[in-house]
Amino acid sequence: AQKITQTQPGMFVQEKEAVTLDCTYDTSDPSYGLFWYKQPSSGEMIFLIYQGSYDQQNATEGRYSLNFQKARKSANLVISASQLGDSAMYFCAMREGRNNNDMRFGAGTRLTVKP
Amino acid sequence: ETGVTQTPRHLVMGMTNKKSLKCEQHLGHNAMYWYKQSAKKPLELMFVYSLEERVENNSVPSRFSPECPNSSHLFLHLHTLQPEDSALYLCASSLSSGSELSDTQYFGPGTRLTVL
Repeated sequence: AQKITQTQPGMFVQEKEAVTLDCTYDTSDPSYGLFWYKQPSSGEMIFLIYQGSYDQQNATEGRYSLNFQKARKSANLVISASQLGDSAMYFCAMREGRNNNDMRFGAGTRLTVKP
Repeated sequence: ETGVTQTPRHLVMGMTNKKSLKCEQHLGHNAMYWYKQSAKKPLELMFVYSLEERVENNSVPSRFSPECPNSSHLFLHLHTLQPEDSALYLCASSLSSGSELSDTQYFGPGTRLTVL
């Protein structure tokens, strides 16, 4: 069963504007962690941000923030002040407490930043 | 060298060839992973090693054979592959193999494999 859903295959944003990339997840485990990765055309998956299911506050890392809505099971990534170098694939991933060797990834969203 | 490195970056092989992918991590981590990324499919976990012992094998065909001689090195030996095995193979490492939910996996640049 699909555990991570990213409904936006592609997104466009104007340089210097903010953009939200959607991610919803499905789990019955009360303990889980959510991750976002960026994959440029070079192929390397770059870790961006982490949110734990018990974290009280939304995670932030520089221009990246995570809009964590636990009841809705969503963990959207917000990128502020977009830059041309932000153009890449973005993947949402989840690790569950009961099977934490296995990290499940979504299908990804391709973000294109326009000058 | 820093982070996670993978060689070769690109590999073209015939179905009867035998080749190996190499991964090396310079982060002092204890867990290493192989993932397969095919076009239009989510990233798939293939193997997990923790302290050089395999802890997970997600029903991967036997034509893929992993080897972890020490906590810094991970190999994926390939033999008698099929064209559908063409994909980007990513290696990752983390401090542990999941004892902490927040353990982040750090990825290498991948090997782009084409099977003719």
